[in-house]
Amino acid sequence: AQTVTQSQPEMSVQEAETVTLSCTYDTSESDYYLFWYKQPPSRQMILVIRQEAYKQQNATENRFSVNFQKAAKSFSLKISDSQLGDAAMYFCAYRAGGTSYGKLTFGQGTILTVHP
Amino acid sequence: DAGVTQSPTHLIKTRGQQVTLRCSPKSGHDTVSWYQQALGQGPQFIFQYYEEEERQRGNFPDRFSGHQFPNYSSELNVNALLLGDSALYLCASSRRTGLPNYGYTFGSGTRLTVV
Repeated sequence: AQTVTQSQPEMSVQEAETVTLSCTYDTSESDYYLFWYKQPPSRQMILVIRQEAYKQQNATENRFSVNFQKAAKSFSLKISDSQLGDAAMYFCAYRAGGTSYGKLTFGQGTILTVHP
Repeated sequence: DAGVTQSPTHLIKTRGQQVTLRCSPKSGHDTVSWYQQALGQGPQFIFQYYEEEERQRGNFPDRFSGHQFPNYSSELNVNALLLGDSALYLCASSRRTGLPNYGYTFGSGTRLTVV
């Protein structure tokens, strides 16, 4: 079974600074997708960024980027120029490949606090 | 374009009772998945419905059941409620057919409290 581990229960960052959230996963599959979701107090999960395992290039979405190390099964999220609105719970998630609709396996989450 | 709508937003039930939670998927989506999120934890997959049939199931007892209607909306039913069923229940919709779509759209969830 696939597992996703987030070893940082809480992280904090100053506004405008950079922070990195860690995630490791375990799988025996070669085709899969990795995601970072943000869950603010409104409770709705919002997709931040996704990475296809077959792509060597790290995904980037504006201030958000990932460091995908396939051999190490590591998938960290870097937030640059942090903003107050980035404060939320962040979840790393895994989905097996082959389809566009399989289940997501989530990590335990990291609470990010942004200080003004 | 409406996103995923869940109802009710909050619910309080007594141990042993039964509950039904509802989800309307995003327009154009045909697959609905349900997740249970305990306080301070990551969501756990319950099951997924497509074409009115359960297609995948997580490690949840038979007390958890569901249904999908022809309009793609879905219900999650939980029987014989336990205190441990208290959680946020999230619905996520996606599109199974057509071009590959990596996107899941989540609703804001139903907060269930069992007393």
